[in-house]
Amino acid sequence: QVQLKESGPGLVQPSQTLSLTCTVSGFSLTSNSVSWVRQPPGKGLEWMGAIWSGGSTDYNSALKSRLSISRDTSKSQVFLKMNSLQTEDTAIYFCTRSGVYDYYVMDAWGQGASVTVSS
Amino acid sequence: DIQMTQSPASLSASLEEIVTITCQASQDIGNWLAWYQQKPGKSPQLLIYDATSLADGVPSRFSGSRSGTQYSLKISRLQVEDIGSYYCQQAHSNPPTFGGGTKLELK
Repeated sequence: QVQLKESGPGLVQPSQTLSLTCTVSGFSLTSNSVSWVRQPPGKGLEWMGAIWSGGSTDYNSALKSRLSISRDTSKSQVFLKMNSLQTEDTAIYFCTRSGVYDYYVMDAWGQGASVTVSS
Repeated sequence: DIQMTQSPASLSASLEEIVTITCQASQDIGNWLAWYQQKPGKSPQLLIYDATSLADGVPSRFSGSRSGTQYSLKISRLQVEDIGSYYCQQAHSNPPTFGGGTKLELK
């Protein structure tokens, strides 16, 4: 059974760095890719970036200067780090599996991690 | 970035009714189009990929179609469990972008 679970702090101060972990099970990170998608409260979805099965990364140009995605295949974990957080970064952050159907199609989603940026 | 314009933003329909949601791409994306359903308080779930292919486990009352750069999601007989929000997404190029969403409610 494919599962993804996000974990991390629920509250981050402005200008600080967000660190989230996605722990996956039921599939291998060397065979499948993981993308991060976020959703501000009451709003739509924004693709942030991905780490492909081969280990290379791809980022949304709107976030590229602040975003880093990495992984530890031995622990089945993917990491998101984003710096210089502002209030508009308040959102639910989802990790997803992608690449099973198409590179950018996300066929499994985690439950989401709610992140609030506030002092 | 490719813009995806989704309509309507909200929709009220009766049980067993046929429901159609459309999405217009700002440029040619071929069949690189996916649809997702998001139930209240839950994460999105994949319904359709490659514009017309049903994802595993998705009921056959859901279907997707394409006409040029316009894409449609059809629910043939609305069920109570179909209530939620729906998003289209272009999977053609980086960054993959989503439509603004359609909130589907029961009449």
